[in-house]
Amino acid sequence: DTEVTQTPKHLVMGMTNKKSLKCEQHMGHRAMYWYKQKAKKPPELMFVYSYEKLSINESVPSRFSPECPNSSLLNLHLHALQPEDSALYLCASSQVTGTSGSSYNEQFFGPGTRLTVL
Amino acid sequence: GIQVEQSPPDLILQEGANSTLRCNFSDSVNNLQWFHQNPWGQLINLFYIPSGTKQNGRLSATTVATERYSLLYISSSQTTDSGVYFCALSNAGKSTFGDGTTLTVKP
Repeated sequence: DTEVTQTPKHLVMGMTNKKSLKCEQHMGHRAMYWYKQKAKKPPELMFVYSYEKLSINESVPSRFSPECPNSSLLNLHLHALQPEDSALYLCASSQVTGTSGSSYNEQFFGPGTRLTVL
Repeated sequence: GIQVEQSPPDLILQEGANSTLRCNFSDSVNNLQWFHQNPWGQLINLFYIPSGTKQNGRLSATTVATERYSLLYISSSQTTDSGVYFCALSNAGKSTFGDGTTLTVKP
């Protein structure tokens, strides 16, 4: 199974709402990623979790709060978002290898959540 | 950080034609992947190719890590090949995507 699933597919929220995006994989991967993609732009890395610990935060505003409850699940909690945060949010996972767990292998992406902030 | 440049930015082909997409990068990398993004946003893995040459049907890819470039070859293109092609490089989990090549294949 090389599938990464994401829910919901679409989300519309107001600036005062709190919502969460969910991502799940059952490939036994120990690294999970959140990306943000604006229209006609490439995906931009937001966060990386390795062995359920946050290893990379690309200076993302605190209104985005990631959580990795276990090795298969990754959440992105959203609060007080702005209209410019409207984008496609992509989750990915990969295996981690190497003696220090520092070698990240091929990434597999979910279908994304298309977020609109009103 | 790593700089990734893809060329050409746009490419229009007649069905059946061949094409070559290029990805130049500024530093040595552990991983390099080629993706096809379909109109619904799904990123489809084409190749995981930090170095060497791989082939999968009508598609093949070559990465020359010492010269910091990778090439994606599409032969006998079909209308379903249309979409955006990205190369993405990563070191220690930190990934950078190129701006992509938008391919349009006309029937």
